[in-house]
Amino acid sequence: ETGVTQSPTHLIKTRGQQVTLRCSSQSGHNTVSWYQQALGQGPQFIFQYYREEENGRGNFPPRFSGLQFPNYSSELNVNALELDDSALYLCASSLSPGTRVAKNIQYFGAGTRLSVL
Amino acid sequence: SQQGEEDPQALSIQEGENATMNCSYKTSINNLQWYRQNSGRGLVHLILIRSNEREKHSGRLRVTLDTSKKSSSLLITASRAADTASYFCATAPSNTGKLIFGQGTTLQVKP
Repeated sequence: ETGVTQSPTHLIKTRGQQVTLRCSSQSGHNTVSWYQQALGQGPQFIFQYYREEENGRGNFPPRFSGLQFPNYSSELNVNALELDDSALYLCASSLSPGTRVAKNIQYFGAGTRLSVL
Repeated sequence: SQQGEEDPQALSIQEGENATMNCSYKTSINNLQWYRQNSGRGLVHLILIRSNEREKHSGRLRVTLDTSKKSSSLLITASRAADTASYFCATAPSNTGKLIFGQGTTLQVKP
């Protein structure tokens, strides 16, 4: 078990609605990354937050946005939900980006399964 | 988009046998990592190999990396039913911690 917690565990929304997913990072980690995992696929990088600033973004539209708070917890917000947004959303925390390779290791939460109807 | 391909997509073996999974990637990397995922839950880090390393061991796991062929393999020796899971390789193009995952190999170990 990692120290990363995500809430809620499951969520059902309808198309066009907005959703907020939450993540508490492992103690001592100041970097949070969010991934989307469609059924049967590998996780795809959405974005990363480091010290409350966005530190890189994957190929996702602007309706996917995020926040990181001073305690390094994070939120993922998705507006105007589409059916294809149905997926497992994973949060991962890590040590600050830098030259030490060990800081690349990410510690994942159990995920939030979002169903868009 | 995914970084690369994993092969095979699914693997079924008997307990005690060895399991080998392969991963290919497209761009240059700083390091490559393997993760395990049980039943659509969170991923668990297994092992990290740096771009200047060729082989690494951790318990029953052996990972190789061939940067000239842009490929890696994960060997699980003496498999157990508890090893049943999906296994993903993930590449880190830089030291920023942003990972690019493959599509995964689903391993079933029959008791």
